Amino acid sequence: AQSVTQPDIHITVSEGASLELRCNYSYGATPYLFWYVQSPGQGLQLLLKYFSGDTLVQGIKGFEAEFKRSQSSFNLRKPSVHWSDAAEYFCAVSGGPTDSWGKLQFGAGTQVVVTP
Amino acid sequence: DSGVTQTPKHLITATGQRVTLRCSPRSGDLSVYWYQQSLDQGLQFLIHYYNGEERAKGNILERFSAQQFPDLHSELNLSSLELGDSALYFCASQASGLDTQYFGPGTRLTVL
Repeated sequence: AQSVTQPDIHITVSEGASLELRCNYSYGATPYLFWYVQSPGQGLQLLLKYFSGDTLVQGIKGFEAEFKRSQSSFNLRKPSVHWSDAAEYFCAVSGGPTDSWGKLQFGAGTQVVVTP
Repeated sequence: DSGVTQTPKHLITATGQRVTLRCSPRSGDLSVYWYQQSLDQGLQFLIHYYNGEERAKGNILERFSAQQFPDLHSELNLSSLELGDSALYFCASQASGLDTQYFGPGTRLTVL
């Protein structure tokens, strides 16, 4: 069965510092990977996705993620965080065409706090 | 604004009751997905409809049901409510398999 693990429940980072959020997945076939962000009281917004091709994916708001098949990881990074990046971040995996494209399985989420 | 609307925003009801949550997808999107977000279970996929037909089911209780109407809006019906059903319920719409899934703002259900 597929699963997604986000090892860090909570991360505190200073404004202007770099940020890396970890995501590990377990899936038998080629995974389709996503990062979503949820601001307080809001729905989820897609930051970026990986289906195939270049393993370094650029997203919105200055985020990027790197797919590493050998490590079953899809870590999210941002070189310099802004106070507005404080939110909860979710990694998700979809089975793609063999498993109802949009049936997303989410990790538990990582809460990011940005300090001045 | 994702273009996906959900009503109502908040719903407070009692155990044993039945409620209906409504979702209007983005114009032209044929797929609607329902998710439940709770403190103990996290974000869980419930069910997927495509152009009126059920396509996939996740961890959806038998007390819950959904449908998608000809105008593509969808409703999630929750019956015999229990305290543990208190959660945020999201719907998301998608044009096709490779497209972005757009989430609505959610309906917060509180069962007292």
